[in-house]
Amino acid sequence: EVQLVESGGVVVQPGGSLRLSCVASGFTFHDYTMHWVRQAPGKSLEWVSLITRDGGRTFYADSVKGRFTLSRDNSKDSLYLQMNSLRTEDTALYYCVKDIRLGDRGLGVFDYWGQGTLVTVSS
Amino acid sequence: DIQMTQSPSTLSASVGDRVTITCRASQSISSWLAWYQQKPGKAPKLLIYKASTLQSGVPSRFSGSGSGTEFILTISSLQPDDFATYYCQQYNSYSRTFGQGTKVEIK
Repeated sequence: EVQLVESGGVVVQPGGSLRLSCVASGFTFHDYTMHWVRQAPGKSLEWVSLITRDGGRTFYADSVKGRFTLSRDNSKDSLYLQMNSLRTEDTALYYCVKDIRLGDRGLGVFDYWGQGTLVTVSS
Repeated sequence: DIQMTQSPSTLSASVGDRVTITCRASQSISSWLAWYQQKPGKAPKLLIYKASTLQSGVPSRFSGSGSGTEFILTISSLQPDDFATYYCQQYNSYSRTFGQGTKVEIK
């Protein structure tokens, strides 16, 4: 059974930093592109970032580019999202998400989701 | 970024009804469109991708159609478990974007 378990969400002040983690199980982690998708309270979904299976390439939404950094440790089946210069608009539930497609290039379709970790940016 | 617009925002329907949700893209995305279902307090669940390909394990009452800029999600006979919010999502570009959601409520 595929499982994605996120952690690290807390209340942080504007301008602060945070690192989210995601531990994967139930599939061959190093074979898949992985993503983070977030959802502000009562709002729709927003794709945040992706990392290719070997960690060689990362892509970010314009809203987080230059502030967030995505990395992975395939030896630990883990994904990390370093979030700096946090803003109130970053407040959201952050989901760790698996890409549906095996191989070097993800498809951008999300077949498994974690339960999310809540980040609240507030003074 | 490609903008995705869903209609309606809210839909009231009864069990057994045929339900359709429309999603429009601000530019052509070929068939690079997925649909998700989300229930309160839960993560989204993939229903359909490539506009019309049913994800494994999803009931056949769900179907998708369309290409280019206009897409439709159809539920042929609404079941109690289907009351939820539905999102479309394009994956034509690296900056994947979602629609604003359509909430299907009990009439």
